[in-house]
Amino acid sequence: QKEVEQDPGPLSVPEGAIVSLNCTYSNSAFQYFMWYRQYSRKGPELLMYTYSSGNKEDGRFTAQVDKSSKYISLFIRDSQPSDSATYLCAMSARGNEKLTFGTGTRLTIIP
Amino acid sequence: GAVVSQHPSRVICKSGTSVKIECRSLDFQATTMFWYRQFPKQSLMLMATSNEGSKATYEQGVEKDKFLINHASLTLSTLTVTSAHPEDSSFYICSASPSGGHNEQFFGPGTRLTVL
Repeated sequence: QKEVEQDPGPLSVPEGAIVSLNCTYSNSAFQYFMWYRQYSRKGPELLMYTYSSGNKEDGRFTAQVDKSSKYISLFIRDSQPSDSATYLCAMSARGNEKLTFGTGTRLTIIP
Repeated sequence: GAVVSQHPSRVICKSGTSVKIECRSLDFQATTMFWYRQFPKQSLMLMATSNEGSKATYEQGVEKDKFLINHASLTLSTLTVTSAHPEDSSFYICSASPSGGHNEQFFGPGTRLTVL
C-alpha cells in the first residue's frame, strides 16, 4: 500500500462546475499538506499549503485536511478551462524534509 | 515572491557527456533544495535532498557518482549528470524550501534532458 493514495483520473467536468480532488494517506505523522498544479512540461506550482487539520480558502480554491480520517481535499469552484492540469497532493511530517506525493489527478475542464 | 529558476530549460547532449543543471531561488534563501526526475505521465520521483554546505542525501537506487549535487550557497544548487546515457533522458525538477519559512516547497520550471 502506498503512503499516499490519489485517484489518477482522468477527471472531466464542465466549465463552472465544482471540482473535488482527494488524497488519503496512511502515515499519521504527516502534518504539512500541500496541493500543486502541474501543467504539461512545466514544474509544479504550489496552490495551497495547510499545516495540521482544518480548512483554508484562497480565491476559488479551498483545501481541507481531516487528520482523524487521514484525508485531504481540494475544491475548485467555478472551474475554468485554464484549470485543466494535473493536480498533485503532497505531504511531510516535518518542515524542510522531503515530500511524499500522490500520483496526481489529471483534470480537464470542458468549455 | 518564492520564485525558483532552472537553467537550462532544455538540453540535448551526446551519450557520454556530462550535463550541469542549475537551480536558483531568486527571492529567498533556501537551506534545503530537492532534486526530482519525472517520466511522462508519472509523478515526481525524489532523487536527493541537498543541504547548503553539506553532502547531499540520495534516495535509494540513485547513483551518487552519476548524479553529482552541489549546494554551494543558500540560493544555488547544481545537479550534474555525468557520462549521460539515453536512459538518463528525463524531466529534472528542483524545489526549494525557504529558510525560516513555513515549510512550503516551491518548484522550478524543470529541465528537459535528452541524451542522444
